[in-house]
Amino acid sequence: NAGVTQTPKFQVLKTGQSMTLQCAQDMNHNSMYWYRQDPGMGLRLIYYSASEGTTDKGEVPNGYNVSRLNKREFSLRLESAAPSQTSVYFCASSDRPRSSGNTIYFGEGSWLTVV
Amino acid sequence: QKEVEQDPGPLSVPEGAIVSLNCTYSNSAFQYFMWYRQYSRKGPELLMYTYSSGNKEDGRFTAQVDKSSKYISLFIRDSQPSDSATYLCAMSANVYGGATNKLIFGTGTLLAVQP
Repeated sequence: NAGVTQTPKFQVLKTGQSMTLQCAQDMNHNSMYWYRQDPGMGLRLIYYSASEGTTDKGEVPNGYNVSRLNKREFSLRLESAAPSQTSVYFCASSDRPRSSGNTIYFGEGSWLTVV
Repeated sequence: QKEVEQDPGPLSVPEGAIVSLNCTYSNSAFQYFMWYRQYSRKGPELLMYTYSSGNKEDGRFTAQVDKSSKYISLFIRDSQPSDSATYLCAMSANVYGGATNKLIFGTGTLLAVQP
């Protein structure tokens, strides 16, 4: 019963390096999201994918790219890492919204440090 | 001014105490209100989901929404050391899941229940 799985859990990058955060969900959800969490800022949406084949910018998309590889997988890429991208990254997924509500399930987080 | 304000704490209480956690918001369009619990080094998990005004109870947890005051609360009765976590409020204007249905998170309140 994995839910939302993201890798790696910890990563240290040098400024200018690139990397990809991987995310997969096994709940057959349509929507997937990438958030970052910073002290005093809360959770902020980077990108989301409402369904397979679509992606849209969230609140803080600059410096990131995403790929919805298939229904299960949604990756986040940092092309040229900057110290300002030091953060905890969470992948999340949800089913179609219903009038009774919409539960978002989060992964366990990826701790990224850019030096 | 942030759309959602939440006291970061930390809030320290003795075991068995009643805990009150609160958020205020400025956007009167918000209708869906959520509380997430986040343990250290883990992803947030949905605790309570409330639509519009009123109360919702689930075991030791009660969520209250006062739309006239733009104020939401989470009460925890008979608090336990296992309740020690960061509690995040979140809210949206519509059922979350699309470009216009943004979910806004508070910054979280750190709660410590002392045995």
